[in-house]
Amino acid sequence: AQSVAQPEDQVNVAEGNPLTVKCTYSVSGNPYLFWYVQYPNRGLQFLLKYITGDNLVKGSYGFEAEFNKSQTSFHLKKPSALVSDSALYFCAVRDRNTGGFKTIFGAGTRLFVKA
Amino acid sequence: NAGVMQNPRHLVRRRGQEARLRCSPMKGHSHVYWYRQLPEEGLKFMVYLQKENIIDESGMPKERFSAEFPKEGPSILRIQQVVRGDSAAYFCASSDGTSPQETQYFGPGTRLLVL
Repeated sequence: AQSVAQPEDQVNVAEGNPLTVKCTYSVSGNPYLFWYVQYPNRGLQFLLKYITGDNLVKGSYGFEAEFNKSQTSFHLKKPSALVSDSALYFCAVRDRNTGGFKTIFGAGTRLFVKA
Repeated sequence: NAGVMQNPRHLVRRRGQEARLRCSPMKGHSHVYWYRQLPEEGLKFMVYLQKENIIDESGMPKERFSAEFPKEGPSILRIQQVVRGDSAAYFCASSDGTSPQETQYFGPGTRLLVL
């Protein structure tokens, strides 16, 4: 069965410091991996996705994520955090081998960036 | 190019009433997905529809919930005889349905409160 784990409910970081939001996944085959961000009372906004190729994926707003097949991880990173990055971040996975469109989301990690 | 539209944004119902949530996909998108987000939790997949077809409803509760995506008009998520536990944010996403690697784009959500 597919699953996504975001081990940290909350991440606190000071503005200007690098940030990492962790995600590990479990699928029977090879994954498509996604990161979304949710601001209060808003829908999810797409940040980036891993399909194939280069393990380092660059996305919106300066975010990037690294696909690590051996560790089954897809951690979200940003070199220098902004206060405006404070939001709820969701990692998601689809199993390409099943050919399906069903997306499994993690429980979310709340990021607080302090000025 | 309008994004995914959902209405109403907020809906209040008393126990036993019906709730109808509407979703208009992005222009050119023929696939719609419904997700439910309980307070302080991640998104749970409910149902995946194409025009006039339900493709995957494995996440839908067996009773009281139904979804449709008619040839003309928005997709509708219908909840009959609502109970307090149905209080949640319901998000719709759409895609063009060409492949599992595609991005799903989310609407702003409908926040249902059952009194």
